Amino acid sequence: EVQLLESGGGLVKPGGSLRLSCAASGFMFNSYAMTWVRQAPGEGLEWVSSISSSETIYYADSVKGRFTISRDNSKNTVYLQMNSLRAEDTAIYYCAKGRMTTAWLGVDYWGQGTLVTVSS
Amino acid sequence: QSVLTQPPSASGTPGQSVSISCSGGSTNIGANTVNWYQQLPGTAPKLLIDSSNQRPSGVPDRFSGSRSGTSASLAISGLQSEDEADYYCAAWDDSLNGCVFGTGTKVTVL
Repeated sequence: EVQLLESGGGLVKPGGSLRLSCAASGFMFNSYAMTWVRQAPGEGLEWVSSISSSETIYYADSVKGRFTISRDNSKNTVYLQMNSLRAEDTAIYYCAKGRMTTAWLGVDYWGQGTLVTVSS
Repeated sequence: QSVLTQPPSASGTPGQSVSISCSGGSTNIGANTVNWYQQLPGTAPKLLIDSSNQRPSGVPDRFSGSRSGTSASLAISGLQSEDEADYYCAAWDDSLNGCVFGTGTKVTVL
């Protein structure tokens, strides 16, 4: 059974940093792309970043230069380092498993999400 | 700012059929497959349709997807109360070099 467990969310002041982690199990982690998607309160889904199995990386323009995605295949974990956080980054952050090795075919399984609140 | 446009709402009575459209462009739906996700209240999204028209294991055959040109659609037949949820389309965009989601459609079962 595929399981994705996010952690690292919380309350942070504007300009601060957080690192989200997503521990994966139930599939061959190093063979799949991984993606972060966020959802602001009461809003729709917004793609944030993806990393392929070969570590090709993609970012949404809204986070480029501030967020960094990475993966550790030895720990079956994907990370999202978030710097220079803004109020508009407040959202539930979901980790999602890619359908294939590349990011462009989308995601199939989702974690339960971790809440990030940026507020002074 | 979503690149894929969906109607904000759709509704039907139990047993009826509902269709949700997803309008995009040549660099997303026109070039890549479409996935559909169902998000029940207070839960994470769930993959409903992949590759534009394929149902993952466990998804009832009441759900079907199609794609034509730069648009896609999700159809729900035999509407049930448990289908009340938000539905999102998604596709890779070759111009943005990233994934784009639809604006989302809230389905209400009357």
